[in-house]
Amino acid sequence: AQSVSQHNHHVILSEAASLELGCNYSYGGTVNLFWYVQYPGQHLQLLLKYFSGDPLVKGIKGFEAEFIKSKFSFNLRKPSVQWSDTAEYFCAVSSSGGYQKVTFGIGTKLQVIP
Amino acid sequence: DTAVSQTPKYLVTQMGNDKSIKCEQNLGHDTMYWYKQDSKKFLKIMFSYNNKELIINETVPNRFSPKSPDKAHLNLHINSLELGDSAVYFCASSPVPGQGNGYTFGSGTRLTVV
Repeated sequence: AQSVSQHNHHVILSEAASLELGCNYSYGGTVNLFWYVQYPGQHLQLLLKYFSGDPLVKGIKGFEAEFIKSKFSFNLRKPSVQWSDTAEYFCAVSSSGGYQKVTFGIGTKLQVIP
Repeated sequence: DTAVSQTPKYLVTQMGNDKSIKCEQNLGHDTMYWYKQDSKKFLKIMFSYNNKELIINETVPNRFSPKSPDKAHLNLHINSLELGDSAVYFCASSPVPGQGNGYTFGSGTRLTVV
C-alpha cells in the first residue's frame, strides 16, 4: 500500500522567506505525485503535479517541487513567500495506471507573518 | 460556473438521523470520489466511482452508501448518524482515475452531528 509522510506539521515564516516543505512517499512502483493547497475555509486546489519527465516541476503561484526518486521525496519549494500563501499544504501520491486512489499526507500548515 | 458543486455546504443534524450530500460535476470527468477530512485535516478516501461503477470502497461503515445515477453525479447517503461522523466531506472528480491529472475538488460539506 502507498503512504505519504509530511515532516513539518506547522511552519511559521516571515514574508519574503524561502519555503521548503518535505514530503516522502512509500510505494514500490511508478508513481504520480501532487501538491495541493487548501486556503482557510476553502477546498483543495492542485498546485502542481509530477507524472513523468523533468523531475523539477513548476506549478502555480511560483511554487515548484523536485522529484528525487532515490530518496522517495517530492519536496515543495518557493523562493519568497507572501502572506497570501498562508494555507494548508498536502502532498499526495497515486500509483500509475489503473483505478488507483490518491493517498494524501497529513498536511502542513503554513503561516506567513507580514 | 462551479466545476464540482456540493450541497449542502453546512449540515447540522442529530445523532441517529439519516442525511444525504449531493455532488455534481460539469467537467465531463469519468471518475468521482468522496473524501472525508477529519478535525486534524487528514484526508481519507471513502469511495470512487468510474462512469457509475464503484471502483474503490475503503473500509467505511456500511451506514455510508454512495449512489451514482450518472457519471456527473455522486451522492452520499448516511444512515444513523454518529458523533464521529462529524467532518468535512469533499467530493472530487478526475478525467482518468489515479492518473497524473489530479483531482478537482468541490468546496466541501461540513457535517456536524450533535
